Amino acid sequence: QKEVEQNSGPLSVPEGAIASLNCTYSDRGSQSFFWYRQYSGKSPELIMSIYSNGDKEDGRFTAQLNKASQYVSLLIRDSQPSDSATYLCAVNIYGNNRLAFGKGNQVVVIP
Amino acid sequence: GAVVSQHPSRVICKSGTSVKIECRSLDFQATTMFWYRQFPKQSLMLMATSNEGSKATYEQGVEKDKFLINHASLTLSTLTVTSAHPEDSSFYICSARDSGNGNEKLFFGSGTQLSVL
Repeated sequence: QKEVEQNSGPLSVPEGAIASLNCTYSDRGSQSFFWYRQYSGKSPELIMSIYSNGDKEDGRFTAQLNKASQYVSLLIRDSQPSDSATYLCAVNIYGNNRLAFGKGNQVVVIP
Repeated sequence: GAVVSQHPSRVICKSGTSVKIECRSLDFQATTMFWYRQFPKQSLMLMATSNEGSKATYEQGVEKDKFLINHASLTLSTLTVTSAHPEDSSFYICSARDSGNGNEKLFFGSGTQLSVL
């Protein structure tokens, strides 16, 4: 089992809709979870961090964490074409900020 | 916000040559920096943890003699790809955490696209 898994294929959503991304992780002791956005050919950009069970909202983004089920999700409300990117789930499973990344989910927002 | 500068952004080299990539924290001190590699349409893979004033810690399967890491100051880490081969062609990204800040956020450099001919 991979440490961080993002299994969904490319996600196409119409402009204004909600994009939903999921991520599961293997280490039950993980405490820190992050969502990064990466445009093609660019480095990742942190958009959300979450440490406690439940929801965390920041603008149009909502991260949801369920440690019992070992998953973390990201919702993008009112999707915009500029949200088109690859979204990487990252989990601090090694401690000391050594992050393990999922393979990413590509999101395409259709105008 | 914190800025991490990575240079060069793109390099093309001949097989057998060595390439040095620099990673600088511009407005904070970083006792620890991380080097990742990303192949096309793949995720970031942690290569090594760079520790200021001590040896780097390499992940399993990463050759320390091929990927030389030096972290001589609190603001600079370098990765040298020695005797590069075409299979080393990849996107290399560094990241750093603000040592003086209690949060766990990592800041990424802009990445270096290495192409070995």
